[in-house]
Amino acid sequence: GAVVSQHPSRVICKSGTSVKIECRSLDFQATTMFWYRQFPKQSLMLMATSNEGSKATYEQGVEKDKFLINHASLTLSTLTVTSAHPEDSSFYICSASEGSYSNQPQHFGDGTRLSIL
Amino acid sequence: GENVEQHPSTLSVQEGDSAVIKCTYSDSASNYFPWYKQELGKRPQLIIDIRSNVGEKKDQRIAVTLNKTAKHFSLHITETQPEDSAVYFCAAILTSGTYKYIFGTGTRLKVLA
Repeated sequence: GAVVSQHPSRVICKSGTSVKIECRSLDFQATTMFWYRQFPKQSLMLMATSNEGSKATYEQGVEKDKFLINHASLTLSTLTVTSAHPEDSSFYICSASEGSYSNQPQHFGDGTRLSIL
Repeated sequence: GENVEQHPSTLSVQEGDSAVIKCTYSDSASNYFPWYKQELGKRPQLIIDIRSNVGEKKDQRIAVTLNKTAKHFSLHITETQPEDSAVYFCAAILTSGTYKYIFGTGTRLKVLA
């Protein structure tokens, strides 16, 4: 089955640090990947849609300069949390679909737990 | 835009009983409805999905039903086991733009041994 790898799984760093999270589709090509944020005991909140070779599409209320997304290849998308602060602490998860049609399942990475001190 | 409502938010059942989780959606053009199971601190895992051209799909103890007219779909788990305890999310595909998922708010299922 389709596998999505996300790295790192856990980050603890000081306030002001920039953190990069990688999302890879291991056995399929993904023209589109999605980045979610999940607070404790809450649902997945879509932050942005990552499009290979073009700019990401951000959801309303998500700062694009704060959460930089790069989708340079068909198997890799990165999310960089710039100058992270304690309020950015959260669980970040990426997902990717195999096809380009609307009715294909998204496969999720293991998530990255980000803790900003 | 699309809105997905999910009920109940928590559900406790005795081992062996059935569990039913319901979702409603607003965009009549949505055509794909997956269900995900998420254990604490782990990734959401797809457990079953249904497309708009069918009304029901079953996979062993898990089934999903879809009523397009009423715009709701349900997850049914029979013969529940303690390992079914998790948070379950429904989702609907927003068919305009980039086909992003709209997730329900989640149901925390506890199966009591």
